[in-house]
Amino acid sequence: GESVGLHLPTLSVQEGDNSIINCAYSNSASDYFIWYKQESGKGPQFIIDIRSNMDKRQGQRVTVLLNKTVKHLSLQIAATQPGDSAVYFCAENQAVVGSQGNLIFGKGTKLSVKP
Amino acid sequence: SAVISQKPSRDICQRGTSLTIQCQVDSQVTMMFWYRQQPGQSLTLIATANQGSEATYESGFVIDKFPISRPNLTFSTLTVSNMSPEDSSIYLCSVEDYGQGNYGYTFGSGTRLTVV
Repeated sequence: GESVGLHLPTLSVQEGDNSIINCAYSNSASDYFIWYKQESGKGPQFIIDIRSNMDKRQGQRVTVLLNKTVKHLSLQIAATQPGDSAVYFCAENQAVVGSQGNLIFGKGTKLSVKP
Repeated sequence: SAVISQKPSRDICQRGTSLTIQCQVDSQVTMMFWYRQQPGQSLTLIATANQGSEATYESGFVIDKFPISRPNLTFSTLTVSNMSPEDSSIYLCSVEDYGQGNYGYTFGSGTRLTVV
């Protein structure tokens, strides 16, 4: 079968621990960022988003931090569960004048949760 | 949020043939996007499809290889033409989904294509 994650960096954490997944984005003009979770055999699922006028946003068990100075994005997952095991992608929206823009995806990180 | 039905979910095709992938959305959307995800890789945008106009292709992708149709606001197709083993990938369609936030994007479950 297909092997999404074969060439991706892997983060292995113990169940119950917190996870931090990092992402460097490319365009300082990007104004919107999204984290996606992709489980095996599925398309990416929206987790949380953040606009460039914010530096932190919290959801249910997840927090996204944005550092525009160094063009860095992180996703923190609290009390990581086996169901969190997946590949996580950050994406940036490079909005262009006159266009709604499109998403540019980062390389992805495979999160593996040990029971 | 929008629900996307993508068909087929997977296929194994002979080189030199073509495969058409369908994407059906349960609501009307202005823009639909087609992505490719090669094994172990991230997603790369192939093209953006607006209803009533020709698709806009990203660098490295051409209409002759990846023709796209967008006959109405809920449906699009992507054809992978004259396939070679290098076309083996997951192909995904996506739509903007304002129900998820300002610019949330919802994805179909993907089509896993293997070319032999």
